[in-house]
Amino acid sequence: EAQVTQNPRYLITVTGKKLTVTCSQNMNHEYMSWYRQDPGLGLRQIYYSMNVEVTDKGDVPEGYKVSRKEKRNFPLILESPSPNQTSLYFCASRKGRISYNEQFFGPGTRLTVL
Amino acid sequence: DQQVKQNSPSLSVQEGRISILNCDYTNSMFDYFLWYKKYPAEGPTFLISISSIKDKNEDGRFTVFLNKSAKHLSLHIVPSQPGDSAVYFCAAAAKGADGLTFGKGTHLIIQP
Repeated sequence: EAQVTQNPRYLITVTGKKLTVTCSQNMNHEYMSWYRQDPGLGLRQIYYSMNVEVTDKGDVPEGYKVSRKEKRNFPLILESPSPNQTSLYFCASRKGRISYNEQFFGPGTRLTVL
Repeated sequence: DQQVKQNSPSLSVQEGRISILNCDYTNSMFDYFLWYKKYPAEGPTFLISISSIKDKNEDGRFTVFLNKSAKHLSLHIVPSQPGDSAVYFCAAAAKGADGLTFGKGTHLIIQP
């Protein structure tokens, strides 16, 4: 089954404690993205990756890092989380740059930073 | 500055009737538009899309209309069914850019 998986699904942490949210896809997609969803703001892209070792900033990259060492994995790293990073995070993957019709989203990770 | 606007946070429609969800955009560089549907505790799923060279795209009960001069698109669902109750996001892609710009979403509630 084609899918994007994220872990953990729920996380409560404290300010400054480094964390990583993992994302994995089994469709051999080249493009992967991270979005955050906040009330009243919709989804906003944090970072994206066009292929292994190729990443770029989205609209709201501050406070986040990513890496793409393997095609299937695209972890989101918060080196020093702050309360304003409390949000619902979605990972997404798609085959090519404009393959938005075939973009798959993960189930989401709800992060709370105290 | 919101480039994709969904001005109705929620919409309630009776089962069997037509649901019309609206979306406005400001960026003239957008040339591809999509609607995503999202259930609670799940990620968004692709529903229907339209290129800027078209003014209408239909897929079963779902039709998207694009009015480029007004920078407006709408999603029509006919007839509305209980399973259509979800949050609907309008999204747009600009030529040459990576990633989508999303609206805030409209929560559609289908009343029995």
